Amino acid sequence: EVQLVESGGGLVQPGGSLRLSCAASGFTFSTFWMYWVRQVPGKGLVWVSLINSDGSKTMYADSVKGRFTVSRDNAESTLYLQMNSLRVEDTAVYYCAREGNYYDSTGSLRYFQHWGQGALVTVSS
Amino acid sequence: EVVMTQSPATLSVSPGERATLSCRASQSVGINLAWYQQKPGRSPRLLIYGASTRAAGIPARFSGSGSGTEFTLTINSLQSEDFAVYYCQQYHNWPPLTFGGGTKVETK
Repeated sequence: EVQLVESGGGLVQPGGSLRLSCAASGFTFSTFWMYWVRQVPGKGLVWVSLINSDGSKTMYADSVKGRFTVSRDNAESTLYLQMNSLRVEDTAVYYCAREGNYYDSTGSLRYFQHWGQGALVTVSS
Repeated sequence: EVVMTQSPATLSVSPGERATLSCRASQSVGINLAWYQQKPGRSPRLLIYGASTRAAGIPARFSGSGSGTEFTLTINSLQSEDFAVYYCQQYHNWPPLTFGGGTKVETK
C-alpha cells in the first residue's frame, strides 16, 4: 500500500523558516516524480513544486520561487520542502503527492495519483 | 499559465440523481486533464486522468469526457459518499500545473 506521511508543520513567524518532510513507502520512491501542493483551509488546491525522480530537475510556482527548495533523499525514500522567508500568505495545508501510476494516452504521468494526509503550516506573529 | 474554471461553484443534487460538473481551460490542454474528489478534512483522491480514464478502484458511476478546452465530470446515481468538492487539474502546459477552483456537490 502506498503511504505518504508529511511531518514538520507548525507555527512560525513571518520571515522564519520551516522544513517539511514526506516519508514514502509502498512503492519504489526513486522512480517517481514527486510534488508539493498546498491548500489554504476552505480554499482550492495550488501546485507548489515538483522534483523529478533523481532530483536533477526542480520547478516552482512563481509565488514561492527563490524562497522554497524541494529536495529528495532516494536512499531514505523521503521528500523535503525547505521553506524560507515565510509570509502570512504561505499559511496552508501542504500535501506531498506522487505522480501517476499509468501513462495516459499522450504518455504523460503529470497528475497526482497518491496524496499524503497534509501538514498545516501557519505563518503568524 | 493555463487558467482552469469550474462551474457551477455549488451543485445541489438529490441522492440517486445525476450530477454534471464542468471544467473549462483558458487554452487547449488536449486530454491532459484529471479530476479529484476531496471530502472535508481529507486529502484529495484521484478519480479520472487522461480526461476519461477512471483511476483504480473508482466506481463506474464516475465518468469523464471532453478534450481541448471543455471537460465534464458526470456522477450517475449520486450516492451519499459522493457529496464532496471536486477539482479539475490540467497537466498539458506546465509549469505551473493548475487546478480549477472546485465544485461543491451538496445535498438538495
